[in-house]
Amino acid sequence: SQQGEEDPQALSIQEGENATMNCSYKTSINNLQWYRQNSGRGLVHLILIRSNEREKHSGRLRVTLDTSKKSSSLLITASRAADTASYFCATDLGTPLVFGKGTRLSVIA
Amino acid sequence: NAGVTQTPKFQVLKTGQSMTLQCAQDMNHEYMSWYRQDPGMGLRLIHYSVGAGITDQGEVPNGYNVSRSTTEDFPLRLLSAAPSQTSVYFCASSYSGSQETQYFGPGTRLLVL
Repeated sequence: SQQGEEDPQALSIQEGENATMNCSYKTSINNLQWYRQNSGRGLVHLILIRSNEREKHSGRLRVTLDTSKKSSSLLITASRAADTASYFCATDLGTPLVFGKGTRLSVIA
Repeated sequence: NAGVTQTPKFQVLKTGQSMTLQCAQDMNHEYMSWYRQDPGMGLRLIHYSVGAGITDQGEVPNGYNVSRSTTEDFPLRLLSAAPSQTSVYFCASSYSGSQETQYFGPGTRLLVL
């Protein structure tokens, strides 16, 4: 069963705009991870945020975690055409990672 | 390092045939797992292994077998292929468990006719 659910399912923005994706989950977690998947390729790890952390940054990426609301967000600033991909959140409950269904991001040049 | 490698990249099977999807990693990772990805379904865990000789079932294990005789290799066997097993299969590994960054292979596209 799906633990994390991303929202929106699809997002289309212009190059240079910011993109925000959300992930909601149902039960307490140890950590939450975000991955990117380019079309036809394997997943690539972006950021891991632990349950005792509230925000992490990596380059143009910012991830927040609100354990009281059981939600996380991924912000991509100043998006580029190369950011076009699917983005997945994955939750660690102390068992193997459970992935959401993903958000498809299209960045239009 | 080659990272996580998967073979074949693409395979067509007839219903009832068996085959093995290969997965290997050269990072000395203890933890390996197999996922399948279907349109609109995200990734679903099939089987995982926390080390050589130890395997366990994931969310969708029926119709699949695994073994882990070495740290490097984690093959996935389809015993009698069914059209419902048409999917893209991904192998992933990490140093010690799901609490860490997972490294994914490029995937195997399987079509069962």
